[in-house]
Amino acid sequence: QSVLTQPPSVSAAPGQKVTISCSGSSSNIGNNYVSWYQQLPGTAPKLLIYDNTKRPSGIPDRFSGSKSGTSATLGITGLQTGDEANYYCGTWDNSLSVGWVFGGGTKLTVL
Amino acid sequence: EVQLVESGGGLVKPGGSLRLSCAASEFIFSSYSMNWVRQAPGKGLEWVSSITGSSTYIYYADSVQGRFTISRDNAKNSLYLQMNSLRVEDTAVYYCVREGPSRYLGFDYWGQGTLVTVSS
Repeated sequence: QSVLTQPPSVSAAPGQKVTISCSGSSSNIGNNYVSWYQQLPGTAPKLLIYDNTKRPSGIPDRFSGSKSGTSATLGITGLQTGDEANYYCGTWDNSLSVGWVFGGGTKLTVL
Repeated sequence: EVQLVESGGGLVKPGGSLRLSCAASEFIFSSYSMNWVRQAPGKGLEWVSSITGSSTYIYYADSVQGRFTISRDNAKNSLYLQMNSLRVEDTAVYYCVREGPSRYLGFDYWGQGTLVTVSS
């Protein structure tokens, strides 16, 4: 059971838009910064979004992040078949068990 | 280009020990907190442990507390994970991960991972 809650899967057609939610609590998302990671099949995860909304150099602006209260959302527009991957949200948790926490991951299928 | 190269994975029996290493290059290693993140076969990401640049602060996930020890040698640009009392559920790919200079930057570089299999 992951500390952060994500939908197991989402799907959409090429060219469409999709959003992936990440729900937490005041000890994690509510008081810390959220990052998002993309894991293509057979590869290591890659940083997609940091500081809730910012994109590292090289990440296209089709990817966006937002945060409100204890939830965060990853948005992907202009879907491409190459976007098929698992997506994870992550943040620091200040609860009794201090440390980083991740969502369970969301499998994106581009139909 | 930042590089993180893990080594030391392999097959070990339950109750056994293993030491993972991560060789870092192309950045000022001592300036960054480093982490180990693992991924069981077909499962999601699980943070394992974190160590600050000067080793002042160390954190562990509850699942490994008391069994795993993270350490680093800044002179050798290396990160380590000593894993004792290994369990079947510790089977996973272990990634060496760099944390941005501040936590808001997230995990900005990941190694390719090393597979640890705990089985009799």
